[in-house]
Amino acid sequence: EAGVAQSPRYKIIEKRQSVAFWCNPISGHATLYWYQQILGQGPKLLIQFQNNGVVDDSQLPKDRFSAERLKGVDSTLKIQPAKLEDSAVYLCASSLDSPRPRGETQYFGPGTRLLVL
Amino acid sequence: AQSVTQLDSQVPVFEEAPVELRCNYSSSVSVYLFWYVQYPNQGLQLLLKYLSGSTLVKGINGFEAEFNKSQTSFHLRKPSVHISDTAEYFCAVIATSGTYKYIFGTGTRLKVLA
Repeated sequence: EAGVAQSPRYKIIEKRQSVAFWCNPISGHATLYWYQQILGQGPKLLIQFQNNGVVDDSQLPKDRFSAERLKGVDSTLKIQPAKLEDSAVYLCASSLDSPRPRGETQYFGPGTRLLVL
Repeated sequence: AQSVTQLDSQVPVFEEAPVELRCNYSSSVSVYLFWYVQYPNQGLQLLLKYLSGSTLVKGINGFEAEFNKSQTSFHLRKPSVHISDTAEYFCAVIATSGTYKYIFGTGTRLKVLA
């Protein structure tokens, strides 16, 4: 089966510009996650969707970050305006919905590497 | 709230030697535990997970981990490493109830030397 797709793979922008990332999860996966991974750190959850509803966005900087998941499939993550500290890899992951969703394996995409100058 | 501590940021080891990567967690409720591996310029891939049952969990690529509730640990082991095991390894935890959020450790970079 096809894995989690993300685009673009790399992006370089100047501070105060806007940027958008796209994610297509594995077919049939109800849960979708966006993580921010700063160099030398572990992934930090930004937002989690269950179908097209938000489960958790407590760590999403809502003054500049936004995310949506239309029709419960694809998702986009936007940053507007970008800051230098947003330089990171943005990972998208998806997992099945099951009777024990917390124990489900997350399948990660290759990530989008963002550099803000 | 949960937290994860990976005590070693880097672990160098010679090829065919055994290795242990340490992970400790903190939580006031029961948790599920995971180990993921990240190869350069790739996303994370599940190595193994502990949900319930036997505390010794076997995963892919010859890795195994043991859940120790009294020591709140979930250390990853491999009896004989290969050059291809060079990667970053992340321990992660999620509570079985309450806050539905995965928490990842800061990672351990395993460097296998020829």
